[in-house]
Amino acid sequence: GAGVSQSPSNKVTEKGKDVELRCDPISGHTALYWYRQSLGQGLEFLIYFQGNSAPDKSGLPSDRFSAERTGGSVSTLTIQRTQQEDSAVYLCASSLVPGGQGEGYEQYFGPGTRLTVT
Amino acid sequence: AQSVSQHNHHVILSEAASLELGCNYSYGGTVNLFWYVQYPGQHLQLLLKYFSGDPLVKGIKGFEAEFIKSKFSFNLRKPSVQWSDTAEYFCAVTAFYNQGGKLIFGQGTELSVKP
Repeated sequence: GAGVSQSPSNKVTEKGKDVELRCDPISGHTALYWYRQSLGQGLEFLIYFQGNSAPDKSGLPSDRFSAERTGGSVSTLTIQRTQQEDSAVYLCASSLVPGGQGEGYEQYFGPGTRLTVT
Repeated sequence: AQSVSQHNHHVILSEAASLELGCNYSYGGTVNLFWYVQYPGQHLQLLLKYFSGDPLVKGIKGFEAEFIKSKFSFNLRKPSVQWSDTAEYFCAVTAFYNQGGKLIFGQGTELSVKP
C-alpha cells in the first residue's frame, strides 16, 4: 500500500517568510508524528497527534512552529517568520496505533521535506 | 530525560566483515527499541524492533539485535556485511510512561562498506 507522503520535497524560502509543510499519513494510521533532521541536532521530535486527543507539542522549538491535523488524516506543519536555523529536513511519520506496546506501534516515515532558509 | 547513545559515528568495513553497532539508552523503565536505516538518498526505514519477549530480534536483510536490559543496550549485528549495507543507522527508543510514543533517536552511525 501507499506509504507516508510529504510535500513539497524541497522548499527554499527567504528568511522571515512563512512556510507550510504537508504530510499524508498511511491510510488508517491513527497516530502522526513530526520530526526534524539536521546536521547539528540529529533527529528531533517536534509534535505528535493521536486521534482526537490534544497534540503533544513538547518538542516544538519555538512558538513560530505550529501544526494541525485535519479530519484525523492530513497534517500541516507551519513555520512562521522562518530563520536560517530552521533549515533542516522535516520528517513525518505515522503508526497504526498510538504509543504503547505491541505490534502496530512502529512508526513509518515519509521522504521528508528539505527546507532551506536563505 | 531519556537519551540514546550510539558509540560509533562512522564505521568503515570491508565486504564480508562482521558488524556490531552499539546503542545504549538511559531510561530505566519498560521501553520499546528500534533500529532504523537510511540508505543514501532514501527515507528512514524500520530495520527491526523490540517490544517484549525474546531479547534477540531478527530484522530485514540479515540484521539482528540483542536487548540486554541489565546493560541498557540494544546492539545491532550482522555476520557478514555487503556493499549495499552502506547507510546511516539510527537506534531509537520510546518509553511506556510516555503514552505519546515519541521516538528518541541516537546520533546515528554512518556505515561505509568497501567492495
